[in-house]
Amino acid sequence: GESVGLHLPTLSVQEGDNSIINCAYSNSASDYFIWYKQESGKGPQFIIDIRSNMDKRQGQRVTVLLNKTVKHLSLQIAATQPGDSAVYFCAENNNDMRFGAGTRLTVKP
Amino acid sequence: GAVVSQHPSWVICKSGTSVKIECRSLDFQATTMFWYRQFPKQSLMLMATSNEGSKATYEQGVEKDKFLINHASLTLSTLTVTSAHPEDSSFYICSAQIQGVGTQYFGPGTRLLVL
Repeated sequence: GESVGLHLPTLSVQEGDNSIINCAYSNSASDYFIWYKQESGKGPQFIIDIRSNMDKRQGQRVTVLLNKTVKHLSLQIAATQPGDSAVYFCAENNNDMRFGAGTRLTVKP
Repeated sequence: GAVVSQHPSWVICKSGTSVKIECRSLDFQATTMFWYRQFPKQSLMLMATSNEGSKATYEQGVEKDKFLINHASLTLSTLTVTSAHPEDSSFYICSAQIQGVGTQYFGPGTRLLVL
């Protein structure tokens, strides 16, 4: 079946560096994607979303890039901080939401 | 805005008892709410989709008679785990969707431990 997945299960970066978290999706009909951040013991927190009519969207310190040709989504975090340490999920929303496995981001001081 | 609450935040119960978890959208109306389960170090798994005033739609493999869902109003959905067993111990998370908008907003989760 079609699914949303992540390339890497873990990512470790130095504080202050930029982080890039990748996600592959397989449903070419998907038109809406969301990135969530989940801290330990908490529910997912909305970070940023993007629709398929866009290829880039920027928020505060975060940028999402969408490449529909290769069905790839990425989340870029600028100047990563210790508070960014969490598990990041991409999700594909078509009335219900399907999550990938998640990438655990660890920020080293 | 778009705040979702869950109650209780954690619960410990004996095997065989039933547990009810509430999910509320505090500042918006949610025509659709979703229930997820998450085991340690795993992703969220959708259990069921709940629409206000109608029966919930369960995902394959989720027992509807064991996980009772009631979406009685546009701001409240409940999940009742009936005859809970230790294998039901998990982190249960709900989300709410604003009508006409695709984004789901998640509650803080409820940790269930069945002894």
